[in-house]
Amino acid sequence: AQSVTQPDIHITVSEGASLELRCNYSYGATPYLFWYVQSPGQGLQLLLKYFSGDTLVQGIKGFEAEFKRSQSSFNLRKPSVHWSDAAEYFCAVVRGNKLVFGAGTILRVKS
Amino acid sequence: NAGVTQTPKFQVLKTGQSMTLQCAQDMNHEYMSWYRQDPGMGLRLIHYSVGAGITDQGEVPNGYNVSRSTTEDFPLRLLSAAPSQTSVYFCASSHRDRGDEQYFGPGTRLTVT
Repeated sequence: AQSVTQPDIHITVSEGASLELRCNYSYGATPYLFWYVQSPGQGLQLLLKYFSGDTLVQGIKGFEAEFKRSQSSFNLRKPSVHWSDAAEYFCAVVRGNKLVFGAGTILRVKS
Repeated sequence: NAGVTQTPKFQVLKTGQSMTLQCAQDMNHEYMSWYRQDPGMGLRLIHYSVGAGITDQGEVPNGYNVSRSTTEDFPLRLLSAAPSQTSVYFCASSHRDRGDEQYFGPGTRLTVT
């Protein structure tokens, strides 16, 4: 069963513009949610995570994400994108003893 | 402190050959896992381990074996390679379990011809 959906395969934004990457989940009453980033040729790095409490979570590199239970969403945002943010972004959710990843969104930044 | 290391970085196999992908971590992490990454499919969990001597299957375990005889090492064995196993393989570890931050290795790019 699909646990995590990232509807956008590719997104292109201009440098300095705001960014929102979408993530919808379908597992767990109170899910454990994550965003990871993968630069080309690299492994993944954790940006932020949500377990409970404040639904707006701050992460590294100026990213934030908001958990919305009513929409089953955990969208990633950044107010002003830098060229170095070009990468692939993965949403993930804990399902039992496993961490399940979405298919990823490739972010391109144009100058 | 090397983090998570994987060897080899690249490998080409012929159909039917077997091989072992190595993964080691020096952070004394309990939880280790193997993923494969294919275009458009994200990362899919192959096998994971919650501690030495304990392993379990992930989403796509067929054709792969693992063992965890020490805390540090978590090798992935391909029993009889098939072209469908052409992929990039990532090993990851975390302090206690899947809810902790996962530290990923640099990956192994495997091609099966």
